[in-house]
Amino acid sequence: GENVEQHPSTLSVQEGDSAVIKCTYSDSASNYFPWYKQELGKRPQLIIDIRSNVGEKKDQRIAVTLNKTAKHFSLHITETQPEDSAVYFCAASNPQGGSEKLVFGKGTKLTVNP
Amino acid sequence: DGGITQSPKYLFRKEGQNVTLSCEQNLNHDAMYWYRQDPGQGLRLIYYSQIVNDFQKGDIAEGYSVSREKKESFPLTVTSAQKNPTAFYLCASTRRSMNTEAFFGQGTRLTVV
Repeated sequence: GENVEQHPSTLSVQEGDSAVIKCTYSDSASNYFPWYKQELGKRPQLIIDIRSNVGEKKDQRIAVTLNKTAKHFSLHITETQPEDSAVYFCAASNPQGGSEKLVFGKGTKLTVNP
Repeated sequence: DGGITQSPKYLFRKEGQNVTLSCEQNLNHDAMYWYRQDPGQGLRLIYYSQIVNDFQKGDIAEGYSVSREKKESFPLTVTSAQKNPTAFYLCASTRRSMNTEAFFGQGTRLTVV
């Protein structure tokens, strides 16, 4: 089955700096890669996603890149702000795999210091 | 106001007791999921259902049971067979499958006392 590895587990940056979180996946048939943000005590919420027919997607300060050959994808946050502090989860799914389940990485706790 | 609601927010269970966590959605979503969240472990799938009266085991189904009698509801029972049930439980739903946005409930924190 699919296995998603996420690094780093914790990340601390200064306000205004960029943050990069990386994930690798094992199932080459996976074709949907969302990123979720979970603030302390709250539910995870989708912030951006990418499908396998696209190499990069951007939404304001957030971007995601996908390298299908290497089976890795990354989240990039530019001009970080204190409100970006949260736990970020990457995930992968293979809707054609029969189970259609979403497999999550273990999360990255991002701290943006003012 | 559409959404997905979990109840209760906090739940305490004595050892040996079964407890049921509620999950209700009014988003008209077909698929519903239960995840368990432990510190440093990410979100691990317990059970999922893509259609009424059908559900599949996830990666950590042992000690848990579910039912899907209505499209809107997907309750999770934590049985006494679950050896370490203290955790944060999240319910989610999607339109059809997990290649579209998943909406999560606010979670239930279960503690065994």
